[in-house]
Amino acid sequence: EVQLVQSGAEVKKPGESLKISCQGSGYSFANYWIAWVRQMPGKGLEWMGIIYPGDSDTRYSPSFRGQVTISADKSISTAYLQWSSLKASDTAMYYCARQVPARYYMDVWGKGTTVTVSS
Amino acid sequence: QSALTQPASVSGSPGQSITISCAGSSSDVGGYNYVSWYQQHPGKAPKLMISDVSNRPSGVSNRFSGSKSGNTASLTISGLQAEDEADYYCSSYTSGNTLEVFGGGTKLTVL
Repeated sequence: EVQLVQSGAEVKKPGESLKISCQGSGYSFANYWIAWVRQMPGKGLEWMGIIYPGDSDTRYSPSFRGQVTISADKSISTAYLQWSSLKASDTAMYYCARQVPARYYMDVWGKGTTVTVSS
Repeated sequence: QSALTQPASVSGSPGQSITISCAGSSSDVGGYNYVSWYQQHPGKAPKLMISDVSNRPSGVSNRFSGSKSGNTASLTISGLQAEDEADYYCSSYTSGNTLEVFGGGTKLTVL
């Protein structure tokens, strides 16, 4: 079964760093893009960026470039989303999703990681 | 502000058909056949319902169909069922300064 397993919920304080993960299984992880999608409480989906684990080619939405870092370790089939200094406005659900190369749709989604940033 | 424009809400009675629109531009919806649709139930992850404008993934009911005309894509759900009540999002490839964009989402209420 193809699946993406995301790390557990996080509660952090403003200014702290954080790295959440997304582990793929049941397919060749290196050969599919992994996208990250933010959903703030009660709001819609926002495309943050994407990485190709095979060569770590990474693209960011301008809204998120410089705010987060997307990375991947293909040896352990895991993609990451990290912050160096969290803000309260980073409070959201974060989903990872698999994207087929050269096709712009996300066919497999993780269950999401809730990040809460509060003093 | 979302790059793609969807109605905030639509509603229909069981058995009826509804259509959700997704308006973009020639830089995204109108320029490429890379429109996809996602269904999201409360507290759940999104689920792919339509890819490449009109392709239905395996396992998705044939009551769901997609189309495109000019810069506007549409998702039609026929024979509405209570389980279809959810939020629906369109997405498209874009030649703009981001690779992909979502619509703002549409809440479907089955009356």
